[in-house]
Amino acid sequence: DGGITQSPKYLFRKEGQNVTLSCEQNLNHDAMYWYRQDPGQGLRLIYYSQIVNDFQKGDIAEGYSVSREKKESFPLTVTSAQKNPTAFYLCASSIANVQETQYFGPGTRLLVL
Amino acid sequence: SQQGEEDPQALSIQEGENATMNCSYKTSINNLQWYRQNSGRGLVHLILIRSNEREKHSGRLRVTLDTSKKSSSLLITASRAADTASYFCATDQSGGSYIPTFGRGTSLIVHP
Repeated sequence: DGGITQSPKYLFRKEGQNVTLSCEQNLNHDAMYWYRQDPGQGLRLIYYSQIVNDFQKGDIAEGYSVSREKKESFPLTVTSAQKNPTAFYLCASSIANVQETQYFGPGTRLLVL
Repeated sequence: SQQGEEDPQALSIQEGENATMNCSYKTSINNLQWYRQNSGRGLVHLILIRSNEREKHSGRLRVTLDTSKKSSSLLITASRAADTASYFCATDQSGGSYIPTFGRGTSLIVHP
């Protein structure tokens, strides 16, 4: 089965804690993305990567960090500097540098304890 | 920054009726895409229309694009309760990056 997976489905963060959201794809896509979605809102781009070992900040990168050590994986760390992390996080992948479809994972809901 | 904006924000119809939602954008685009999101789930791609196309069909979906008005519409014909979801348009900017920008979406409820 080809697809994009995210884990965990739900994640709880304590004050001052860093947490990491996992995103894996087996679609052989070069490009991967992280979006944040707040209730009733559209998607806002956090970070994206168009090739291994390279990534770019999106519109709301502050308080987040990413790595792209493998083509299949693009983990997102929500750091303690992100003061309002409660949101639904979506990972996507696509063919790089082509105006084509994005494929989305099922999302991770992050809640603050 | 928001490129596409959907209208209306919410739409409530009866099963069997048609649903029309619109997307307006600000700058020239290469293509426009429509996505669907069921509550608490990821987005699913519905249809892509390129800037040199005016209309596209996929099953019960019909998408139009008017580049002179910088707008697109998504028509769902003979709606079903299973069509209940949020619908988003995504645009990229001509001459810019290939990263699509999403609007806030239209929430569609189809009553059985």
